[in-house]
Amino acid sequence: QKEVEQDPGPLSVPEGAIVSLNCTYSNSAFQYFMWYRQYSRKGPELLMYTYSSGNKEDGRFTAQVDKSSKYISLFIRDSQPSDSATYLCAMSPMNSGYSTLTFGKGTMLLVSP
Amino acid sequence: DTGVSQDPRHKITKRGQNVTFRCDPISEHNRLYWYRQTLGQGPEFLTYFQNEAQLEKSRLLSDRFSAERPKGSFSTLEIQRTEQGDSAMYLCASSKTSGSYEQFFGPGTRLTVL
Repeated sequence: QKEVEQDPGPLSVPEGAIVSLNCTYSNSAFQYFMWYRQYSRKGPELLMYTYSSGNKEDGRFTAQVDKSSKYISLFIRDSQPSDSATYLCAMSPMNSGYSTLTFGKGTMLLVSP
Repeated sequence: DTGVSQDPRHKITKRGQNVTFRCDPISEHNRLYWYRQTLGQGPEFLTYFQNEAQLEKSRLLSDRFSAERPKGSFSTLEIQRTEQGDSAMYLCASSKTSGSYEQFFGPGTRLTVL
């Protein structure tokens, strides 16, 4: 079993839909959680990060962490065709000084106009 | 542009050749990371530096791979005697060591070994 599991998709939605992207993890040492967006043949771009359980909102994006269930989510409201990309969750244990990120495989999102 | 830069962006080489990649981090970041990403997978951690010290190396980093950051600024990643399995995107990232730890990634170097 991989430390971080993420459904690779693709996930296809119409423009304006609410998108839910999820990751589960097995390592209870993970304390720092991030979501990256990666367009084809580009480097990952940081979207959101959080250290605690609960919700964190930034514009159309909401990150949710449930440490008791070892489950994290990213919600995208009013999705746009420009949101079409691969979304990667990443996490790190505190004892590494947050240095070693473990990524999920990424979920490919396709938003159709 | 004040982001992470990598050079070259693409490299095609023949099996058995040596290749070297360069990464220039964001100037005020003293941590620098190398990751490898293959098609359909997330990035996998290879190694990281804090200033010029290499603090951690993944078991993925075979002895054909070596990374340096001699003056605590740019870094190089060298792969000796390349194999077809080395074909991947090599990503560099940088971060601070206090306050916020977010890692900012460069555009990557895509390596193809023929």
